[in-house]
Amino acid sequence: EPEVTQTPSHQVTQMGQEVILRCVPISNHLYFYWYRQILGQKVEFLVSFYNNEISEKSEIFDDQFSVERPDGSNFTLKIRSTKLEDSAMYFCASSAEGPGELFFGEGSRLTVL
Amino acid sequence: KNEVEQSPQNLTAQEGEFITINCSYSVGISALHWLQQHPGGGIVSLFMLSSGKKKHGRLIATINIQEKHSSLHITASHPRDSAVYICAVRISNQFYFGTGTSLTVIP
Repeated sequence: EPEVTQTPSHQVTQMGQEVILRCVPISNHLYFYWYRQILGQKVEFLVSFYNNEISEKSEIFDDQFSVERPDGSNFTLKIRSTKLEDSAMYFCASSAEGPGELFFGEGSRLTVL
Repeated sequence: KNEVEQSPQNLTAQEGEFITINCSYSVGISALHWLQQHPGGGIVSLFMLSSGKKKHGRLIATINIQEKHSSLHITASHPRDSAVYICAVRISNQFYFGTGTSLTVIP
């Protein structure tokens, strides 16, 4: 069964460092998303991406964040200068259609020290 | 403000019981998702609804657009159903999540 894969599963970084989280969506999907979940809190939407551009972003997704689909298979989330409060589980998801079923990756746990 | 409220927050059931989890939201939506988050943290999509009712195995999801309310039902609950169930609404291309319902099914 096709699945969304994310790497790394866990990353530890120092405050101020840049981090790139990678996702490989399901191959025929066209819509891509990043969400985050701070430990013990609810899942929060970060950004949706379609047709090589951001279609929607939340207030959380400020200038420190960026997304890219560099090569037609990977979908990346970059955090330019990490803060302690960026520590969270980051989930990538994809869907075949805009308002379609979401398929989630297993998540990347980011710990900022 | 787009609020998604779930109830109950925590639920403990005996194996075999019928379970209902509720979700209410405050504004018009384009779709509602029910998600299951495993103890390890992974998230699985259970249903996407924009109207009516859907059934998959022992799971049933309903939505009432006028009342801005959805329910997730689990029939003949089993310990493997123990997880956090999350309601999420889609408004345009944004998503808003509930805080989740933690379900524990005891053998």
